[in-house]
Amino acid sequence: ETGVTQTPRHLVMGMTNKKSLKCEQHLGHNAMYWYKQSAKKPLELMFVYSLEERVENNSVPSRFSPECPNSSHLFLHLHTLQPEDSALYLCASSQRLAKNIQYFGAGTRLSVL
Amino acid sequence: AQKVTQAQTEISVVEKEDVTLDCVYETRDTTYYLFWYKQPPSGELVFLIRRNSFDEQNEISGRYSWNFQKSTSSFNFTITASQVVDSAVYFCALNNAGNMLTFGGGTRLMVKP
Repeated sequence: ETGVTQTPRHLVMGMTNKKSLKCEQHLGHNAMYWYKQSAKKPLELMFVYSLEERVENNSVPSRFSPECPNSSHLFLHLHTLQPEDSALYLCASSQRLAKNIQYFGAGTRLSVL
Repeated sequence: AQKVTQAQTEISVVEKEDVTLDCVYETRDTTYYLFWYKQPPSGELVFLIRRNSFDEQNEISGRYSWNFQKSTSSFNFTITASQVVDSAVYFCALNNAGNMLTFGGGTRLMVKP
């Protein structure tokens, strides 16, 4: 079992759907991250939570809404997405801040039709 | 601002060849951390190494070795006697005192039998 688990692994949704991505970490970390990885761009940091408070939001469109109910769980709620939002969404966790090693999940491959 | 450049987008070698992946970084900070991650086809980023800016000693781990040259702002990664299982995308990343990991664009390594 990996330390960071993401579900679902694959998701296809229409532009009017609402869906959520889930991330769970079993490493006892207290910082969690969402990244977007698309074909033409480097890994982009979307959100950072430290001790369940959002500390970084890199100008992500409001159609992406994160939620961190506790230090082990992180969600990304999706609504009215665009086809260009199709990408691999990766979750990571670390012990507090990012100078520490981040451990990644296997990602959710999202396709928006 | 900080930046990581991996000039080689794709490298193809034949099994048992040695291969070096280049990484050049830019930062104004004197204290920072450098990382290498491996992303196999399964999608999960796997941590390989972290090096802080005060430790310029080269490191060897099995067939992997890393050459940190502060004078040229480079942190290159060499795989000796490459194997098919080494085929993956490799990312170099930089972090200073903040929360953010800045990733390079990645180098896709293909090792052919």
